[in-house]
Amino acid sequence: DTAVSQTPKYLVTQMGNDKSIKCEQNLGHDTMYWYKQDSKKFLKIMFSYNNKELIINETVPNRFSPKSPDKAHLNLHINSLELGDSAVYFCASSPIAGINEQFFGPGTRLTVL
Amino acid sequence: TQLLEQSPQFLSIQEGENLTVYCNSSSVFSSLQWYRQEPGEGPVLLVTVVTGGEVKKLKRLTFQFGDARKDSSLHITAAQPGDTGLYLCAGENSNSGYALNFGKGTSLLVTP
Repeated sequence: DTAVSQTPKYLVTQMGNDKSIKCEQNLGHDTMYWYKQDSKKFLKIMFSYNNKELIINETVPNRFSPKSPDKAHLNLHINSLELGDSAVYFCASSPIAGINEQFFGPGTRLTVL
Repeated sequence: TQLLEQSPQFLSIQEGENLTVYCNSSSVFSSLQWYRQEPGEGPVLLVTVVTGGEVKKLKRLTFQFGDARKDSSLHITAAQPGDTGLYLCAGENSNSGYALNFGKGTSLLVTP
């Protein structure tokens, strides 16, 4: 069974469009995240959710809106896509207590044309 | 922001050689983690070091946490082509409570 899954794996779209990426974890973790990995492989936190509540938003444009319908899901909606949004987006989860070891999904490669 | 600097950025070696990757910061971390990422996949946790001076071994990989908990190293003995990948160190982001700050990674290529 896949622990953290994301869909789609690849997303190619035009500038100005709105798109969503879905994430699900079956680990029973309380905290979920979205990270962005740029073309230089730098991985940076975007959002952190704990029990469906946003606990951090790291200087991300408000065109990006995370939605957590329940503890196992954290979706990312992006409005008015720009060329600079092209990157690989990773969802991750971790248990709330103890050492914060994170489990990553396989990533969604977003290409904005 | 608690920055983590990794070196070297790129490393290309022959099978059988040894190598060390460094992760340094001016900040103190309660723990540091090492991940390996292969092309087209998400990072996978290798190890977490918690105690200053701690040494952990994972087969041919040896991880060390600095005494002051500001730096860490990863040493690979007798590297194999299967070790090829992007190695990332990460420490907890004190502003988020749970999210991680990642270093920029070391891209390792081991050729037969």
